[in-house]
Amino acid sequence: EPEVTQTPSHQVTQMGQEVILRCVPISNHLYFYWYRQILGQKVEFLVSFYNNEISEKSEIFDDQFSVERPDGSNFTLKIRSTKLEDSAMYFCASSQAGVVAGELFFGEGSRLTVL
Amino acid sequence: GESVGLHLPTLSVQEGDNSIINCAYSNSASDYFIWYKQESGKGPQFIIDIRSNMDKRQGQRVTVLLNKTVKHLSLQIAATQPGDSAVYFCAERRDYKLSFGAGTTVTVRA
Repeated sequence: EPEVTQTPSHQVTQMGQEVILRCVPISNHLYFYWYRQILGQKVEFLVSFYNNEISEKSEIFDDQFSVERPDGSNFTLKIRSTKLEDSAMYFCASSQAGVVAGELFFGEGSRLTVL
Repeated sequence: GESVGLHLPTLSVQEGDNSIINCAYSNSASDYFIWYKQESGKGPQFIIDIRSNMDKRQGQRVTVLLNKTVKHLSLQIAATQPGDSAVYFCAERRDYKLSFGAGTTVTVRA
């Protein structure tokens, strides 16, 4: 069964450092998303990406965040200068037809710990 | 602000019994709702969805009920099994993105 894969599974970084989280969405999907989940809290929307551009972003997704699809398979989330409050589990998701048509497939997440 | 939430943060259920997980939402403009299951250390996994023009939808061992009058969504799991132990989130679609509720942790007792 096709799945969304994410790397790394866990990254520890110092405050102020840049972090890149990587995702390989399901191959025939066209819509890509990043969500995050702070420990014990709900899953929060960060950004959606379609046709090589951001289609929507939340208030959390400020200038420190960026996304990129550098090639035909990878979808990355970059945090330019990490803060303590960026510590969370980051989930990548993809869908064939966007939230309009339904199901998002989530990866297993990348846990980011900022010290 | 918060628009999707669950009534109880935890639910303990005896194996074999039915589970009912509840969710209240406040945005009447939401037109699509989804239940996700999240097992420890994993990402959310789609369980079942329902559109706002429906009241009930059934899947394998799961049923979702939507009461638009009181803005209430529930997930019923029949004959709960140990593998059902997880955190369950409801999510609503609004403005072409999903907003998740806080989650209910379901623990199945043997």
